[in-house]
Amino acid sequence: GQQVMQIPQYQHVQEGEDFTTYCNSSTTLSNIQWYKQRPGGHPVFLIQLVKSGEVKKQKRLTFQFGEAKKNSSLHITATQTTDVGTYFCAQSTNAGKSTFGDGTTLTVKP
Amino acid sequence: DAGITQSPRHKVTETGTPVTLRCHQTENHRYMYWYRQDPGHGLRLIHYSYGVKDTDKGEVSDGYSVSRSKTEDFLLTLESATSSQTSVYFCAIRVGYEAFFGQGTRLTVV
Repeated sequence: GQQVMQIPQYQHVQEGEDFTTYCNSSTTLSNIQWYKQRPGGHPVFLIQLVKSGEVKKQKRLTFQFGEAKKNSSLHITATQTTDVGTYFCAQSTNAGKSTFGDGTTLTVKP
Repeated sequence: DAGITQSPRHKVTETGTPVTLRCHQTENHRYMYWYRQDPGHGLRLIHYSYGVKDTDKGEVSDGYSVSRSKTEDFLLTLESATSSQTSVYFCAIRVGYEAFFGQGTRLTVV
C-alpha cells in the first residue's frame, strides 16, 4: 500500500525555538492529515489538506501541502511545553482507512 | 472523545489464549476501525467496518478477527494471542473526513 515517510523521528528543542516535521511519499497523495498524540494519550486530528500548494494555519502551527502533492510539513513557531507529543501525518482513503507515518516525537526543554 | 469507549483499558494475557477487545460508540457512526500502535511506529490498520456485519481487512489483519453485530459495537478478537500482538490497540470512528480515536487498550501477551 501507499507509504508515507516522516522525518525526523525525534526532535528536541528549547522552549521558544521553532520545530518542523516533514512527510514524504513516492506517489501522489490524495490528501494529507495531521494528528497529535500526547504522551500516554490517543491521536487527535489536527487538520486535513487536499489541494496542491495548500497552506493552513492554526495559531502557531502552519501546515503545507507540496505542489506535487507528494510531501507535507508541519511547522510550529516558538514552541511551548504544551506542544510536546508525537505528530503523525496520514493519508486517508474514501473509506476512511488511514495510512500513517511513523511520527515525529517532539520534546521541549523549558 | 466523540462518545467512544474502549474496554478493557489494560489487559495481560497468556500466549495461546483468546482475547476480545471492545469498542463502543454512542453516536451511530457508520465507519469504525481498529489500529495497533507499536513503539516507534505510527498506527497500522487491522480491520475496519462500514456497517453492521460489513467488515474488511486492513494491512495487519493476520491473527485477528472482528465482528460488528450492532452499529455501536465493534469487537476485535485475537483467536490465540502471541507475544507479537503485545501492543496498544486503538479504535476509531470517522466523522466526515476526521477520525476520532478511543483512549486505547494496552494489551500485554506473556
